[in-house]
Amino acid sequence: EVQLVESGGGLVQPGMSLRLSCAASGFIFDDYAMHWVRQTPGKGLEWVSGITWNSGTIAYADALEGRFTISRDNAKNSLYLQMNSLRAEDTALYYCAKDHYSSSWYSLDFWGQGTLVTVSS
Amino acid sequence: QSVLTQPPSVSGAPGQRVTISCTGSSSNIGAGNDVHWYQQVPGTAPKLLIYGNYNRPSGVPDRFSGAKSGTSASLAITGLQAEDEADYYCQSNDSSLRGSCVFGTGTKVTVL
Repeated sequence: EVQLVESGGGLVQPGMSLRLSCAASGFIFDDYAMHWVRQTPGKGLEWVSGITWNSGTIAYADALEGRFTISRDNAKNSLYLQMNSLRAEDTALYYCAKDHYSSSWYSLDFWGQGTLVTVSS
Repeated sequence: QSVLTQPPSVSGAPGQRVTISCTGSSSNIGAGNDVHWYQQVPGTAPKLLIYGNYNRPSGVPDRFSGAKSGTSASLAITGLQAEDEADYYCQSNDSSLRGSCVFGTGTKVTVL
């Protein structure tokens, strides 16, 4: 059974940093691209970032303005999101999701339950 | 901001058929990128419903069907059931955004 378990969320002050993690199991992690998607409470889905199986291709939503960094450790079956210079508008539930393919963006087949990030003073 | 536009809400009585549109442009759906659909029941994570325009993952009832034409796509739910009440999102890739994934604005389906 595919499982994606996010962690690392919490309450943080504006301008601070936070690192999210996603532990994957139930599939061959390094065979697939992975993504982070966020959802502001009561709002829609927003794609944040994606990374191919070997980290060869990485992409981010333009709105992030270079503040976030996605990475993965295939030996640990883990995906990460380093978030710097956090703003109030980054407050959201952050989901980790598995892509259908390894080297391009396609459909997001499985999703974790999300970890909540709240940016507030 | 979303580049794929969906109606905010649709509704129907049990047993009826409802459709949800997803309108894009020449840089995403119209560029030949496939469209995928997700169902999100309130309080839960999104679940893949349709991939590659019209394909259903294992376990998804055949009451759900997808189609794509030009710069738009649609999701149809036939034989509407109470359990279908949820939010639905389309998703594709956009070449104007360096091939980034883009989601639709989302549609709330209400079963009357």
